[in-house]
Amino acid sequence: AIQMTQSPSSLSASVGDRVTITCRASQGIRNDLGWYQQKPGKAPKLLIYAASSLQSGVPSRFSGSGSGTDFTLTISSLQPEDFATYYCLQDYNYPNTFGQGTKLEIK
Amino acid sequence: EVQLVESGGGLVQPGGSLRLSCAASGFTVSSNYMSWVRQAPGKGLEWVSVIYSGGSTYYADSVKGRFTISRDNSKNTLYLQMNSLRAEDTAVYYCANEIAAAGSNWGQGTLVTVSS
Repeated sequence: AIQMTQSPSSLSASVGDRVTITCRASQGIRNDLGWYQQKPGKAPKLLIYAASSLQSGVPSRFSGSGSGTDFTLTISSLQPEDFATYYCLQDYNYPNTFGQGTKLEIK
Repeated sequence: EVQLVESGGGLVQPGGSLRLSCAASGFTVSSNYMSWVRQAPGKGLEWVSVIYSGGSTYYADSVKGRFTISRDNSKNTLYLQMNSLRAEDTAVYYCANEIAAAGSNWGQGTLVTVSS
């Protein structure tokens, strides 16, 4: 199975900060990667699909980039509602695999 | 409006069985690829299974041979039959359509607890 290594595992930041989360695949996955946001007690919400396509309704401060093995999720200016846990998911092949998550906390 | 509602979770003894349901509205289950994802308490997300519109299915190694994904087109409902349950299967189980594509939607989840 493809391993997805996400970093950092946790991150403290302030409102207005620019934040970047990275995900590395153990083998090339083209651009078959999604980014999810999850808040406590809630279902995950897809933010980015195909590595860089913004899901409808998601604010433009979220962006994704990368292909092959290295991917990034960037939040250009953190808002209070962005403090959550973020996961990447490869859907290049089965079994699909998630990164271990990045918990974004308020500094 | 697209909606997914899971049900069927609960407390089950190790070795027991449970069937989860995911009732869909606002779209046709048989026209999408549908997935199950789970999350153990305090842990990350784990992909479990998928069924394609053509009927092809795939499973995580951790559940292969024990879990079966299926759908009932007449009821527009997705299922996950879980047999030989283990303590490590304890999790919130989510169903989702088009898990990593535009228009992805997830249910609210149903909790499965495997304990004696």
